[in-house]
Amino acid sequence: SQQGEEDPQALSIQEGENATMNCSYKTSINNLQWYRQNSGRGLVHLILIRSNEREKHSGRLRVTLDTSKKSSSLLITASRAADTASYFCATVPFAGGTSYGKLTFGQGTILTVHP
Amino acid sequence: DVKVTQSSRYLVKRTGEKVFLECVQDMDHENMFWYRQDPGLGLRLIYFSYDVKMKEKGDIPEGYSVSREKKERFSLILESASTNQTSMYLCAIPGTFGSGTRLTVV
Repeated sequence: SQQGEEDPQALSIQEGENATMNCSYKTSINNLQWYRQNSGRGLVHLILIRSNEREKHSGRLRVTLDTSKKSSSLLITASRAADTASYFCATVPFAGGTSYGKLTFGQGTILTVHP
Repeated sequence: DVKVTQSSRYLVKRTGEKVFLECVQDMDHENMFWYRQDPGLGLRLIYFSYDVKMKEKGDIPEGYSVSREKKERFSLILESASTNQTSMYLCAIPGTFGSGTRLTVV
């Protein structure tokens, strides 16, 4: 079942601007991950944030997590044309035993960065 | 670099055929996954395996089976392909995805 909802579904910006994508989920999680997918290719892992973390940075990426609201955001600063892709959030459920790393994905946000 | 390799990038099969999608990983990881991706539906988990010969159903297992005889290889099997199984299929280990197999069933 799809538990993640992403917002917006599509985002179009100019190079140099910041891009913010949001993700909501429904159940308790162990961690939340963001992935990028270029035009029909496989997914590339961007960043993982654990349920006890509130914010994480990696280069031009900043991810926040609000477990009380069951939501996360991905901020890409100073965007480039090469950032054009689909971005997905995915959650690993909190499981008493182990979840094996199963992912439940959001629908994704299509980001277009114009040169 | 961690590699998850899917044997075919594109496949075209006929309705009713038995189809095998192969996936190989080089990280010696216990857990392997098969997802399918469809426009408007996102990625959905079909099956996963947590050890050799061990498997569990995901969210949409109907019409599929899997095989894991060796730790590095996880195969997805479409027992009798149907047009509604036309999709992009993605194999993964935790944190790493293959490039995907775009399957068309005609």
